[in-house]
Amino acid sequence: GESVGLHLPTLSVQEGDNSIINCAYSNSASDYFIWYKQESGKGPQFIIDIRSNMDKRQGQRVTVLLNKTVKHLSLQIAATQPGDSAVYFCAERVSNTGKLIFGQGTTLQVKP
Amino acid sequence: EAGVAQSPRYKIIEKRQSVAFWCNPISGHATLYWYQQILGQGPKLLIQFQNNGVVDDSQLPKDRFSAERLKGVDSTLKIQPAKLEDSAVYLCASRQTSGGARVGELFFGEGSRLTVL
Repeated sequence: GESVGLHLPTLSVQEGDNSIINCAYSNSASDYFIWYKQESGKGPQFIIDIRSNMDKRQGQRVTVLLNKTVKHLSLQIAATQPGDSAVYFCAERVSNTGKLIFGQGTTLQVKP
Repeated sequence: EAGVAQSPRYKIIEKRQSVAFWCNPISGHATLYWYQQILGQGPKLLIQFQNNGVVDDSQLPKDRFSAERLKGVDSTLKIQPAKLEDSAVYLCASRQTSGGARVGELFFGEGSRLTVL
């Protein structure tokens, strides 16, 4: 079936620490995996994506890791800042339609 | 560059009434999506358009929900009659499908929050 889910509903970290947000997926037919950030009252905002034939991709302060063997995706945020506080969603793109399926979300709380 | 515009931002109706939401995507974006986001959950795709054609509407409750994208630009999503469980934020998103756009990058509007009493 098609489902994307997250392991933890809430993650609380100290400002300056690194954050790791995890996600499990079940659809092997997806060609891209994506992370979105959603702040209160706003629509989700793209952070980074990774193609299914890759296992790691780095952006500015963020790294996405993909483990296809166990169908696991993670987002690492370096030196977490108060502005990183939000709900983070993983999503997978169904290759034949371009449809994005979102997971349930993890709330990241950054303590000053 | 202007973002995805949605209206109204908030709507309160009673069950069995009807409601319509409007979306204006980013200029030039051929793909348009409507998502439903229930509080505490991830967005769920209702319908995806490519220009004015429907690509995927498998999760659209067609007995009460309808959507159209005339002329391949603006789109409207209608609910008639509304049920209590339709209370959610309705998000519109668009995607550029040319010019080196990132495959997974959708641009979302701020959403229309619907409360059904």
